Amino acid sequence: EDKVVQSPLSLVVHEGDTVTLNCSYEVTNFRSLLWYKQEKKAPTFLFMLTSSGIEKKSGRLSSILDKKELFSILNITATQTGDSAIYLCAAFGGGNKLTFGTGTQLKVEL
Amino acid sequence: DGGITQSPKYLFRKEGQNVTLSCEQNLNHDAMYWYRQDPGQGLRLIYYSQIVNDFQKGDIAEGYSVSREKKESFPLTVTSAQKNPTAFYLCASSIGARDGQAYEQYFGPGTRLTVT
Repeated sequence: EDKVVQSPLSLVVHEGDTVTLNCSYEVTNFRSLLWYKQEKKAPTFLFMLTSSGIEKKSGRLSSILDKKELFSILNITATQTGDSAIYLCAAFGGGNKLTFGTGTQLKVEL
Repeated sequence: DGGITQSPKYLFRKEGQNVTLSCEQNLNHDAMYWYRQDPGQGLRLIYYSQIVNDFQKGDIAEGYSVSREKKESFPLTVTSAQKNPTAFYLCASSIGARDGQAYEQYFGPGTRLTVT
C-alpha cells in the first residue's frame, strides 16, 4: 500500500524563523513528489519534484527530493504570519494517482 | 476565467438521503479526482477519472458513486450507504499522466457536507 508520512504534525514558530517540513514516501512506481499549501479551503500548488538533488525555489520557499532515501523537505525562510497554513505532501505513483500525507499544520506568530 | 468550480459550498442533509456534489472544470483537463478531507487525516482519494466515460475507485470508494459523461464534469454522489459522510470534499483536475510524466493537480474550492 502506498504511504506518505509527514512530520512534524504541527509546528508553532515566530515570524522570521526558518522552518523545515519533512515528507517520506513509499510509493509503487514513483514518478514525482508534490507540495501544496492549504489555508482555508482549496490546496494551492507549490512545487513538483521529479529529480533527486535539484532544489526548486520560489521566493522564501524551497524544496528538494532525495529518491535514494525516499524523502523530501520543504524549507521556508524568514517566515511571515501569511505562511500559516497546512502544508501537504503528495507522491505520484502507479495508477496515475496521488497519495497524500496528513499534512503539517504551521502557525507563525508575531 | 479558467478554473474548477464546486457547488454548493455548504450542504446539509438528513441521514439516509443521497446527495450529489457538483464539480466542473474549463481547463480542458483530461483527468479529474474526488478527495475527502477529515480533520487530521489529509486528503483521501475517493474516485478518479482519466478520460470521459471511464473512472476508477480510489482508496475509499465505498458508499460513493461517480459519472464522467462530459470532459468538463465529474459529479460525486454520496449515497446513504456511506457510513460517515460528514466531511470536506475536494475535486481536482489535471492534464493527466502522459508518456510516464506526472502533472500537478489543481483543486476546486471544496464542498463542506454535513449529514445529521
